[in-house]
Amino acid sequence: AQSVTQLGSHVSVSEGALVLLRCNYSSSVPPYLFWYVQYPNQGLQLLLKYTTGATLVKGINGFEAEFKKSETSFHLTKPSAHMSDAAEYFCAVSDFPGGGADGLTFGKGTHLIIQP
Amino acid sequence: GAVVSQHPSRVICKSGTSVKIECRSLDFQATTMFWYRQFPKQSLMLMATSNEGSKATYEQGVEKDKFLINHASLTLSTLTVTSAHPEDSSFYICSARKVLPDGELFFGEGSRLTVL
Repeated sequence: AQSVTQLGSHVSVSEGALVLLRCNYSSSVPPYLFWYVQYPNQGLQLLLKYTTGATLVKGINGFEAEFKKSETSFHLTKPSAHMSDAAEYFCAVSDFPGGGADGLTFGKGTHLIIQP
Repeated sequence: GAVVSQHPSRVICKSGTSVKIECRSLDFQATTMFWYRQFPKQSLMLMATSNEGSKATYEQGVEKDKFLINHASLTLSTLTVTSAHPEDSSFYICSARKVLPDGELFFGEGSRLTVL
């Protein structure tokens, strides 16, 4: 069984500050890890994903995440927050590279608030 | 990236009526689609896996007679909420699996159902 824990249901940062959204996972097999962003009343957009290879993954909109097997973590970061980054962020795990023959297991989500 | 479209984006219906939500992969064929339900400020819960040409696979606790899923073609899956009640009000999101190159999931924009 797989599970995802996102620490902090709400994270507030100032515009221009570092964004750090935490994600820890549990998986009995090598995991494939994903970060998605959701804007109000919209579907999910893939930010980045880790499948194999380099553990530091770069995504869209300046986001990146690092897979740390020893810590079972896949934290999402962005050096400088922008107002447009305000949204809900979901970490997800799968045992399949693209996201699952059986879908994704999502964390509860972190609401990112950007203070002007 | 690939495009998945859901229709309608918003629907309001009276209690006891049935509502159909469509999920279409616009520029790729999807043998597998997934239906998720999202309650306000919560994560996505997988409801069922929709397989083209065969019966859907429902997650534990999801009533298959209440949430009818039909995947009649490689680009269309439908979710019908039968005899809807106010507790069925939610945000429903579909995703479609693009087999090549890596089975990535692409999400629809979501459909907000309100049952009066």
